[in-house]
Amino acid sequence: SQQGEEDPQALSIQEGENATMNCSYKTSINNLQWYRQNSGRGLVHLILIRSNEREKHSGRLRVTLDTSKKSSSLLITASRAADTASYFCATTTGANSKLTFGKGITLSVRP
Amino acid sequence: DADVTQTPRNRITKTGKRIMLECSQTKGHDRMYWYRQDPGLGLRLIYYSFDVKDINKGEISDGYSVSRQAQAKFSLSLESAIPNQTALYFCATSDSSGRRGRDIQYFGAGTRLSVL
Repeated sequence: SQQGEEDPQALSIQEGENATMNCSYKTSINNLQWYRQNSGRGLVHLILIRSNEREKHSGRLRVTLDTSKKSSSLLITASRAADTASYFCATTTGANSKLTFGKGITLSVRP
Repeated sequence: DADVTQTPRNRITKTGKRIMLECSQTKGHDRMYWYRQDPGLGLRLIYYSFDVKDINKGEISDGYSVSRQAQAKFSLSLESAIPNQTALYFCATSDSSGRRGRDIQYFGAGTRLSVL
């Protein structure tokens, strides 16, 4: 069963605009991660935020976590055509650190 | 991630055939995972192994088996393939030592499997 649910399912923006993607989850977590997948390729880790953190930055990425609402958002600023990909949120719960993935968001950045 | 190598990259097989997908890693990680990805369903965990002697079922293990031959090798077998096992399969690794984030997983490029 999916722990994370991303929203929207698909997003199309113009190059230079910001892209905001949301993820909601159901149970308490240890941490939440965002991964990126280029078409037909393996997933690549982008950023991890722990349950006691509220915001993290990495380059053009900003992720927030609201544990009271069980939600997270990923902001990509100044998007580029190369950001076109699918983005997945994934959560870890309990002691064994297994990842549970959402269904993903397809981001298209138009040049 | 070239440090996690999956073979083959593509495979077409027939219903009822036994097939093995292989994964090897040079990252020195102790934990390894097998996922399948279906359109619109994200990734679902099939099996995972936290060390050579530790094998655990994931969310969708029915119809699959695994073998952890060494710390660096983790293979997935379909004993009798069926069409609904057509999917993209990913191997991943993680490092429990916590040096760079114990829960971060590193993925291979995937194996696209078609069962006819």
